Amino acid sequence: EAGVAQSPRYKIIEKRQSVAFWCNPISGHATLYWYQQILGQGPKLLIQFQNNGVVDDSQLPKDRFSAERLKGVDSTLKIQPAKLEDSAVYLCASSFGGGSYGYTFGSGTRLTVV
Amino acid sequence: AQSVTQLDSQVPVFEEAPVELRCNYSSSVSVYLFWYVQYPNQGLQLLLKYLSGSTLVKGINGFEAEFNKSQTSFHLRKPSVHISDTAEYFCALNTDKLIFGTGTRLQVFP
Repeated sequence: EAGVAQSPRYKIIEKRQSVAFWCNPISGHATLYWYQQILGQGPKLLIQFQNNGVVDDSQLPKDRFSAERLKGVDSTLKIQPAKLEDSAVYLCASSFGGGSYGYTFGSGTRLTVV
Repeated sequence: AQSVTQLDSQVPVFEEAPVELRCNYSSSVSVYLFWYVQYPNQGLQLLLKYLSGSTLVKGINGFEAEFNKSQTSFHLRKPSVHISDTAEYFCALNTDKLIFGTGTRLQVFP
């Protein structure tokens, strides 16, 4: 089966600019996650979708970050305006149902804010 | 609140030596436990998972882990490492969401 697709792989922007990341999960996976992985740290959950509804966005900085999952398939994560501390790898993962079903991760988007 | 602690940020080891990467967790409810590996500039790949049943779990690439409920640990082991095992390893637990530890950098030297 095809994996979780993410684009772009790399992005360099200046602070205060905006950026968007795209994720296409595995077909049939109802649950989609966005994680932020800062260098030297473990991934931190930003937002979890179940189909096209938000399950958990408690750690999403909503003043600058937004995410949507239209039609319960693809998802977009946006940052506007970006700050230096947003430099990180943004990982998308999908799961049939979480928990015992396991999670499949994409290769991530490496964002550098200068 | 649930949490995962990986006690070693870096583990250097020579090729063909055994290795253990330590993971402790905290949770007031039953959990599923996972080990993921991350090679440079790549996403996370599942090594193994504990859901229930046998406490010794075997995964890919010769890795295994043992779930110890009394010590709230889930240490990862390999009897003989290869250069290609050099990577970042993450322990994670799952209740209603997947929570990661800070990672252990395994560096295998020839």
